Amino acid sequence: GAVVSQHPSRVICKSGTSVKIECRSLDFQATTMFWYRQFPKQSLMLMATSNEGSKATYEQGVEKDKFLINHASLTLSTLTVTSAHPEDSSFYICSARDKGGPNTEAFFGQGTRLTVV
Amino acid sequence: AQSVTQLDSQVPVFEEAPVELRCNYSSSVSVYLFWYVQYPNQGLQLLLKYLSGSTLVKGINGFEAEFNKSQTSFHLRKPSVHISDTAEYFCAVSGGSWGKLQFGAGTQVVVTP
Repeated sequence: GAVVSQHPSRVICKSGTSVKIECRSLDFQATTMFWYRQFPKQSLMLMATSNEGSKATYEQGVEKDKFLINHASLTLSTLTVTSAHPEDSSFYICSARDKGGPNTEAFFGQGTRLTVV
Repeated sequence: AQSVTQLDSQVPVFEEAPVELRCNYSSSVSVYLFWYVQYPNQGLQLLLKYLSGSTLVKGINGFEAEFNKSQTSFHLRKPSVHISDTAEYFCAVSGGSWGKLQFGAGTQVVVTP
């Protein structure tokens, strides 16, 4: 299957700083990318959907000013956690869907473990 | 709106024994159904999917699942597990988009010798 690369895999940051997470589709063009958050021993919760060249659509309850999503190209989307706090510590996972359309499979990155201290 | 219920949070199983992970869904529209596996600190890997057609779906690593519309279930099975099958398993549903998925809470499978 297609490869989605997520970087970094782990990051520790101080409270109040910002952290950027990158999600790249390596061998396909991703029209749509999704960002999920996963708390320990819990399921994945969709945070937002981003389409290349347009603003992200955030799920209810997700602060768009805190979780900035940029999808500037067909191979790269970034999630920036601004003014991070310990409660933002979590596992963040991106997935990307080929530009083939809504009925095409989405592939997942390896995830980023964010720890805010 | 769709929702997914995974009835078992953890399933212990002995090596070479069969395993079944239960998944029930609710939806007011036709859905696509998926099973994913997640190893520690990693992303998700697709095991199998049901889109339409045959209700028995075969996936990778010897897994299979059966779609039962009347019972709104999509249970995952493997006839003989390996130690390497120890992982978290997620059932997911979408209303037509493979990307935007609603996940169940997950089932932790622990395989012991």
